[in-house]
Amino acid sequence: DIVMTQSPGSLAVPLGERATINCRSSLSILSTSTNKNFLAWYQQKPGQSPKLLIYWASTRVSGVPDRFSGSGSGTNFTLTINSLQAEDVAVYYCQQYFSTSISFGQGTRLEIK
Amino acid sequence: EVQLVESGGALVQPGGSLRLSCAASGFTFSSYWMTWVRQAPGRGLEWVAKINQDGSEKYYVDSVEGRFTISRDNAKNSLYLQMNSLRAEDTAVYYCARDVDRGGDLDYWGQGTMVIVSS
Repeated sequence: DIVMTQSPGSLAVPLGERATINCRSSLSILSTSTNKNFLAWYQQKPGQSPKLLIYWASTRVSGVPDRFSGSGSGTNFTLTINSLQAEDVAVYYCQQYFSTSISFGQGTRLEIK
Repeated sequence: EVQLVESGGALVQPGGSLRLSCAASGFTFSSYWMTWVRQAPGRGLEWVAKINQDGSEKYYVDSVEGRFTISRDNAKNSLYLQMNSLRAEDTAVYYCARDVDRGGDLDYWGQGTMVIVSS
């Protein structure tokens, strides 16, 4: 099974600043045939269901603000939130879908400093 | 508008059984893989099971293999999770989610239904 490890577990960032969340997979999740990374990012606000933000590691879902961006390849990935807004307070999860048995990172709690 | 509505969550004793349902609307249900994901109180997301469009392929996380069964009824636009031999560690909010058909990312989620396993 592919294990996803996120860091940090929590972080506090001032409004308007940049937040960076890291995600590492125990195996490469880059498909050599398609050159796509099978990595998604989700946002879960308190009391809500998760919301898909990014897929293929760097493709934003329609309607997601462009301050959210994803990067990385192979086993190391990053979610960057530029110009942090109050509504971005949430727990963020990475997820691999390279394997049939999908798996999530343990989550990163983002708060306002 | 895509909607997924789970139901069936309850308080059940260890060793008991429960059947969760997920009613889908707003899309062609029979065209999509569907997935169950759970979240224990205060914890992260854990994938539970997934099923392909016609129900011929099913996959489970190791911890529920042999105890849980995922199924679907495309005529009723419904997804199910039959849970047997329930354990305390199965206590969680259970979400159904639609697989985008890119391999396993999940673009729509229900609101979840709570399962509590306790004596």
